[in-house]
Amino acid sequence: AQTVTQSQPEMSVQEAETVTLSCTYDTSENNYYLFWYKQPPSRQMILVIRQEAYKQQNATENRFSVNFQKAAKSFSLKISDSQLGDTAMYFCAFTPSPNTGNQFYFGTGTSLTVIP
Amino acid sequence: KAGVTQTPRYLIKTRGQQVTLSCSPISGHRSVSWYQQTPGQGLQFLFEYFSETQRNKGNFPGRFSGRQFSNSRSEMNVSTLELGDSALYLCASSLGLAVNYNEQFFGPGTRLTVL
Repeated sequence: AQTVTQSQPEMSVQEAETVTLSCTYDTSENNYYLFWYKQPPSRQMILVIRQEAYKQQNATENRFSVNFQKAAKSFSLKISDSQLGDTAMYFCAFTPSPNTGNQFYFGTGTSLTVIP
Repeated sequence: KAGVTQTPRYLIKTRGQQVTLSCSPISGHRSVSWYQQTPGQGLQFLFEYFSETQRNKGNFPGRFSGRQFSNSRSEMNVSTLELGDSALYLCASSLGLAVNYNEQFFGPGTRLTVL
C-alpha cells in the first residue's frame, strides 16, 4: 500500500525565517515522483516543487528546496526567507511511475502560518 | 490558456439525494482526476479518466461514479448522499501521457454540503 504521512498538522514561522515541513512515505515502487503542493486560503492547489525518485540531487525552486532521503523514505520541504504569501496548507504527495496513470497519494497536510 | 474549471462552486443537498459535479480540463489535457478533500482525511483519490475510460480508481463505494466525454470534460456523480460526503471535491487535469511525468493542474473545487 502507498501511504504519505505528514506529522505536523500546524506550524508557524516568523517572516524572513526558514521553516522545514516533514513528510514520510511508504511504497514498494522503485520509480516514482514526489511533490509538495500549496493550497492558499483561496483553495486553488498549486504545485510548489517535485522530485523524481531516480534523481539523487535534491530539487530546488527559488526559496523552496527539498531534502530527499530515498532509503529513509523521507521528503521534507524547506522554505527560506518566509513571506506572508507562503501562508497556506502544504500537502506532500506521491505518485508511482506515470505508466500506471495519474493516481496521487496525499498526506493530510500541514497548515503553515507566516507571522509578520 | 484557461485553467481547470469546476461547476458548481457550492452545493447544498440533503441526505438521500444525488448530485452531479462537472469539471472542464485545460484545453488539450486528456486526463481528469477527482479527489475528495476533508479536514480529517486530507485529499483522497476517487478516480481518473483518460480518453473517456476510467484508468484508475480509489477506494470509494459504488455510490461514487464518474464519466468523461469526448471533449475531455468530466462529471462525477454521488448517489444516495450521506452526511459524510460533505467535502471539497477537487478536479485535476493533465496531458495524461504515460511515457513521462505530466503535471497535474487543479481546479478551485466544488464545496458540497449534505444536510
